[in-house]
Amino acid sequence: QQQVKQSPQSLIVQKGGIPIINCAYENTAFDYFPWYQQFPGKGPALLIAIRPDVSEKKEGRFTISFNKSAKQFSLHIMDSQPGDSATYFCAASLHAGGTSYGKLTFGQGTILTVHP
Amino acid sequence: GAGVSQSPSNKVTEKGKDVELRCDPISGHTALYWYRQSLGQGLEFLIYFQGNSAPDKSGLPSDRFSAERTGGSVSTLTIQRTQQEDSAVYLCASSLGTGLAIFYEQYFGPGTRLTVT
Repeated sequence: QQQVKQSPQSLIVQKGGIPIINCAYENTAFDYFPWYQQFPGKGPALLIAIRPDVSEKKEGRFTISFNKSAKQFSLHIMDSQPGDSATYFCAASLHAGGTSYGKLTFGQGTILTVHP
Repeated sequence: GAGVSQSPSNKVTEKGKDVELRCDPISGHTALYWYRQSLGQGLEFLIYFQGNSAPDKSGLPSDRFSAERTGGSVSTLTIQRTQQEDSAVYLCASSLGTGLAIFYEQYFGPGTRLTVT
């Protein structure tokens, strides 16, 4: 069961463009939604995260938009740079009890290429 | 400071052999997670440790997979009688802890690439 669906699978933009990556989740109990960036040969690294009581969060050039009623959230990268070329994963986690203990449920990933 | 380290970085093994993958978490991190990254399945959770106990083993795909953690630090993931479908990158992550309504960042290691021939 794929609980977090991510699109597109790949994305190509020119330098300065604004790539947008979208995710949709099914489990309404999820209470934290992080985005991870992964470069080849490296583990994923946390980029930015949002809680469902916030509709938008910005950190530098990265913005998460969150729509709780639609169970969707997205990552926007402003003024994208070639160095942003990487694989991006959305994720969801549950901290409200039970045995979930913050384990991450990931989307399938988006390979972003930013051309100079 | 030092991040999460994993060894070996690459492992090639023959089908049917046992393998052990090691994870050294960040010092002081009580929570430790194993994930598997493969082309067909993406990134999937395997097991979670709090200290030396594993309250969530729900992601282990079969009884050929086991993991332990000793001294609240190093963890070993063991795969017995490896199969070709076990080929993947095995990632370890650690965090300061877990708590109700609190998100502790998980720091990932570089992973171990396992190839079963």
